[in-house]
Amino acid sequence: EDKVVQSPLSLVVHEGDTVTLNCSYEVTNFRSLLWYKQEKKAPTFLFMLTSSGIEKKSGRLSSILDKKELFSILNITATQTGDSAVYLCAVGSSNTGKLIFGQGTTLQVKP
Amino acid sequence: NAGVTQTPKFQVLKTGQSMTLQCAQDMNHNSMYWYRQDPGMGLRLIYYSASEGTTDKGEVPNGYNVSRLNKREFSLRLESAAPSQTSVYFCASINVPAGVNTEAFFGQGTRLTVV
Repeated sequence: EDKVVQSPLSLVVHEGDTVTLNCSYEVTNFRSLLWYKQEKKAPTFLFMLTSSGIEKKSGRLSSILDKKELFSILNITATQTGDSAVYLCAVGSSNTGKLIFGQGTTLQVKP
Repeated sequence: NAGVTQTPKFQVLKTGQSMTLQCAQDMNHNSMYWYRQDPGMGLRLIYYSASEGTTDKGEVPNGYNVSRLNKREFSLRLESAAPSQTSVYFCASINVPAGVNTEAFFGQGTRLTVV
């Protein structure tokens, strides 16, 4: 059965801290792994990862995929209060077309 | 450039009532999805349609039906609403032509309360 597990489920940090969010998966015929940020509305897209070892970067956020160990991490450096959100990881299957999400990690950044 | 449009945005139903949530995308995507989101549960897949003319069950299909009316539209029906179906529902679409990966695009969500 396809499965996506995120950890930790919640995290509280102070501004300026660096955080690492984890996403492990089991899926038939992996197609891609997607990271989203959600702030009380529809998720907004952050990264799409398809190949192992290639870091994707956008400002203070970066992500990398390990297809051998079946996980991805999302790093946020120098966190700001505006980074407070739920971070969602999703994995797509190429043979079924299914797109499965993890439970999400709730990040709270305190001033 | 509308993207993915969901209606309605809010709905209150009485137990046992039926309703249909509508979703339409104008990006010519082949795959469409319905999710529900409950506190602490992430997005759980209800049903999906990998291509026009096909639909498949996701993780939590009980109590729901879907129709892929055409390539643009994918509706979700609650035949007899139950309080356990109180949730926020999201429609999403994605296009996966051969050799190309894209992200999923989301509608704005429907907040459904069943009393």
